[in-house]
Amino acid sequence: AQKITQTQPGMFVQEKEAVTLDCTYDTSDPSYGLFWYKQPSSGEMIFLIYQGSYDQQNATEGRYSLNFQKARKSANLVISASQLGDSAMYFCAMREDNTNAGKSTFGDGTTLTVKP
Amino acid sequence: NAGVTQTPKFRVLKTGQSMTLLCAQDMNHEYMYWYRQDPGMGLRLIHYSVGEGTTAKGEVPDGYNVSRLKKQNFLLGLESAAPSQTSVYFCASRTDREGGKLFFGSGTQLSVL
Repeated sequence: AQKITQTQPGMFVQEKEAVTLDCTYDTSDPSYGLFWYKQPSSGEMIFLIYQGSYDQQNATEGRYSLNFQKARKSANLVISASQLGDSAMYFCAMREDNTNAGKSTFGDGTTLTVKP
Repeated sequence: NAGVTQTPKFRVLKTGQSMTLLCAQDMNHEYMYWYRQDPGMGLRLIHYSVGEGTTAKGEVPDGYNVSRLKKQNFLLGLESAAPSQTSVYFCASRTDREGGKLFFGSGTQLSVL
């Protein structure tokens, strides 16, 4: 079974609107971290946001927020006020602290296109 | 403030040739990783290291070897390259702080003909 599932291969959003990128995960480890990374067309991997499994509050970083629903095992990324520069591939990842030796597993990604 | 540096950035090999990819980090990170990314896909873990002198297999280790003789360096070797190893290779490192986020190198585009 896949540990990280991103069900949206591609998404479109109008500039200045908000968009939600979906991510569900599967783990039995009580201690884990969830991450979102951005990969623009230039190819580098850029860290966006982190949520720990024990964190009570949803993480926020500027225009990025992580909608963490632990019982549903979902960690959706919300980008507010989309900009043309947000067009990129977005990856959800999970690090399991006990059952997977702290290694990170990545989803297959979602390609976001921001329309002017 | 170099972070994670990968060399080379591009390489073309013929089937059967060997090569080594070098990853160097200057952040004193304990953990280092080699991933490969195939078109339209996420990153898959090849090998990793939890400290100097240690290495372990990841999800797709066949055809690759690694070494971590110094804490700051993590080398990925291809002994006999195959076309199936055509991919983009990323090195990453992390600590237990900052949530354990990964710091990535800029990637190596490898083509095996």
